[in-house]
Formats: sequence, structure tokens, C-alpha cells
Amino acid sequence: AQSVTQPDIHITVSEGASLELRCNYSYGATPYLFWYVQSPGQGLQLLLKYFSGDTLVQGIKGFEAEFKRSQSSFNLRKPSVHWSDAAEYFCAVGPSGYSTLTFGKGTMLLVSP
Amino acid sequence: SQTIHQWPATLVQPVGSPLSLECTVEGTSNPNLYWYRQAAGRGLQLLFYSVGIGQISSEVPQNLSASRPQDRQFILSSKKLLLSDSGFYLCAWTPRTNRGYNEQFFGPGTRLTVL
Repeated sequence: AQSVTQPDIHITVSEGASLELRCNYSYGATPYLFWYVQSPGQGLQLLLKYFSGDTLVQGIKGFEAEFKRSQSSFNLRKPSVHWSDAAEYFCAVGPSGYSTLTFGKGTMLLVSP
Repeated sequence: SQTIHQWPATLVQPVGSPLSLECTVEGTSNPNLYWYRQAAGRGLQLLFYSVGIGQISSEVPQNLSASRPQDRQFILSSKKLLLSDSGFYLCAWTPRTNRGYNEQFFGPGTRLTVL
């Protein structure tokens, strides 16, 4: 069965510092990979996705992620974090069945001044 | 453009009462639809998905049910709520394309508190 692991439950980063959120997946074929962001009390917003092709994908809000098949990873990065980036971030892999997704448990990002 | 709506935004219900949460999508046709529940620290749990009117698949056996009476309407229901049904309920949709898979787009969610 497929699974997603986000090893860090919480991460605190200083404003202006770089960020990397880790995501490891288990999937039997070529995966489709996603990063979503969720602000408190809100729905999930898609940051970026990987379907095929270039393994470095660019997303919204200055985020990028790199697909590394050999490491089964899809880590999210941002060179300079802004206070507004404080939120919970979810990595997801699919498909499973009728286009269902498997989500990680999320990483809460805290940004310190 | 496509939009997804959920209502109500918040709901406080007593144990044993019924539940009806509604999700509608605008600007697309024949979407796949999904219901998720999010409990604190537990990520997203897929509850139901639907590939067409009247077609519902359940991922987790529980106190809830889902229905799709119209192409772009997805309803989550319960006859008798339990304390454990409290959580944040998210509806999502995926467009149908020949690509085989697409990203999911989420609604704003419903916060349900069962007392």
C-alpha cells in the first residue's frame, strides 16, 4: 500500500531564512506528487505538483520541490521564508483507485521574527 | 473558473443528532468528488469518493454516509452523531481528463463540533 511520511511535525524557521520540508513516499509505480498548504481554519491550497518530466518543479508563492526517485523523496523548499508562510504543509501521493490521494500527516511551519 | 462551496462553515451539534453537510462545485461538469475528515494531528482521512451521480465509494466504515444527488453536489450525512465525529470536514473535486489523474481542489471546509 502507498504511504507518505513527513518526518517533522513542527519546524520553526526565522523570517528570511531558507526552508526545506521533507516528504518521503512509498509507491509501487511512478507517483504523482503534490504539496498543499493549509492556513488555520481554511481548506487546502495546491502549492505545486509533479506528474512527469523535469524533477525540479516550481510552484506558487516562491516554493519549489525536487523529485528524487532514488530516495523516494519530494522535499519542498523556499529560499527565503516570509511570516505569511506560517501554516501547515501536506505532502500527498497518488493515484490510488479513482484518483484518490494519500496524504502525509502534515508539518506545521512556525516563522519567528 | 471553477469554485467549490461548502456549508455550513461551522456547526455545533449534540450527540445523537443528525447531520447534513453540503458541497457544490461550479464551473465544471462530471467531476470526481471527495469527502475528507481532518482531526488534529492525524492528517487527512478520505471518507468517501464519487465518480458520478449515485456512485459512492466508502473508504472507512463508520457512522457516516454520502450521497450525490446531482452531478456537482455531494452530501455527507449521519443519522446519529458521535463525539468522535467532531473534526474539520473537507470536500474536494478533480476534473475528468484523459490524462488519468489530476490534482484535487479543496473547499473551505466545515468545522463540526459534537457535544
